[in-house]
Amino acid sequence: GENVEQHPSTLSVQEGDSAVIKCTYSDSASNYFPWYKQELGKRPQLIIDIRSNVGEKKDQRIAVTLNKTAKHFSLHITETQPEDSAVYFCAAPYNNDMRFGAGTRLTVKP
Amino acid sequence: ETGVTQSPTHLIKTRGQQVTLRCSSQSGHNTVSWYQQALGQGPQFIFQYYREEENGRGNFPPRFSGLQFPNYSSELNVNALELDDSALYLCASSSQVSGTSYEQYFGPGTRLTVT
Repeated sequence: GENVEQHPSTLSVQEGDSAVIKCTYSDSASNYFPWYKQELGKRPQLIIDIRSNVGEKKDQRIAVTLNKTAKHFSLHITETQPEDSAVYFCAAPYNNDMRFGAGTRLTVKP
Repeated sequence: ETGVTQSPTHLIKTRGQQVTLRCSSQSGHNTVSWYQQALGQGPQFIFQYYREEENGRGNFPPRFSGLQFPNYSSELNVNALELDDSALYLCASSSQVSGTSYEQYFGPGTRLTVT
């Protein structure tokens, strides 16, 4: 079955710095890769996603890159702000199942 | 915020009891997936419902069951509750076309505590 590995588990950056979170997946048939942000006590919120026919997608300070050959994709946050502090999850589909990584707790220090 | 709602928000049950959780999907969405999120972990897929039928199931025992109604809302039922069932239960709605559904939008979750 699909296995999604996410690194690092925790990440602390200074406000204004960049943050990068990486995920690897095992099912070569996977073709859709979302990223979710979950603040304490709240629902996971879809922040960006990418399909396998593109290598990169940007939305303001957030970008996702995909390397299908290596089966990994990454979330890039530039100019981090304290409100970016949250747990971030990557995911990849397997059949009708969405498999999630274990999460990265990002802390942005002011 | 998404248009996905869940009820109740919190629930406390005793081991051995049964529980029903409810989810209303976002307008225009025909698919509901249920997830269990233990503290400090990522969501774990329980099952998905599409057109009122189970359309995929994760590694959960049969005492986890569900329903989807004609208006696409859904229920998650858990029988014979165990202490390890304590978790946040999330539903996510999406729109499935030609057997493919991807963008999922989560509800606020139901926090279940089993004592």
